[in-house]
Amino acid sequence: GAVVSQHPSRVICKSGTSVKIECRSLDFQATTMFWYRQFPKQSLMLMATSNEGSKATYEQGVEKDKFLINHASLTLSTLTVTSAHPEDSSFYICSANRDSTYEQYFGPGTRLTVT
Amino acid sequence: ELKVEQNPLFLSMQEGKNYTIYCNYSTTSDRLYWYRQDPGKSLESLFVLLSNGAVKQEGRLMASLDTKARLSTLHITAAVHDLSATYFCAVNDSNYQLIWGAGTKLIIKP
Repeated sequence: GAVVSQHPSRVICKSGTSVKIECRSLDFQATTMFWYRQFPKQSLMLMATSNEGSKATYEQGVEKDKFLINHASLTLSTLTVTSAHPEDSSFYICSANRDSTYEQYFGPGTRLTVT
Repeated sequence: ELKVEQNPLFLSMQEGKNYTIYCNYSTTSDRLYWYRQDPGKSLESLFVLLSNGAVKQEGRLMASLDTKARLSTLHITAAVHDLSATYFCAVNDSNYQLIWGAGTKLIIKP
């Protein structure tokens, strides 16, 4: 168990549009979900921590109005990139904690390309 | 502030050789993780190390943890081409968040 899915796996959008990425825990309840972005040849950068039913906690330098996170249920968190620009092009990865464990289970990632 | 340092950042080696990747972290942490990432893919969990002296092995990979030295090692034995990937270590901070190393890109030549 402990499978996390993401949808879509790849998305290409035009500058100025918004894109929603879904992260689902398929076989467990996730109290906490995390959103990362990864640029080529770099490590993961934590964007925000999302707790079910409450507002996400954003890391310093991450614009909360641009990267909208909603964690409406114990199995679903969404990241919406609003008014996307080419510099938002990146690999976005979500992860989820199972209750009472520290370990994070990672989704397969979403490749966003903004043209 | 908890920091994680990996070295080397890049490693090119021949098949059949042994090598070790090192992961140092700056303050006490409950656990240490090793992940593998293939190009264009997400992370695959390799090992979770929970206590001082912990050693885990899976195939040609073996990970160990020395909490006193704040050091973990990932040892590769008799490397094969399929192990080519980027390897990350990470530790938990007090807020359940993972603090990541920069990654080690491993290239194994046939």
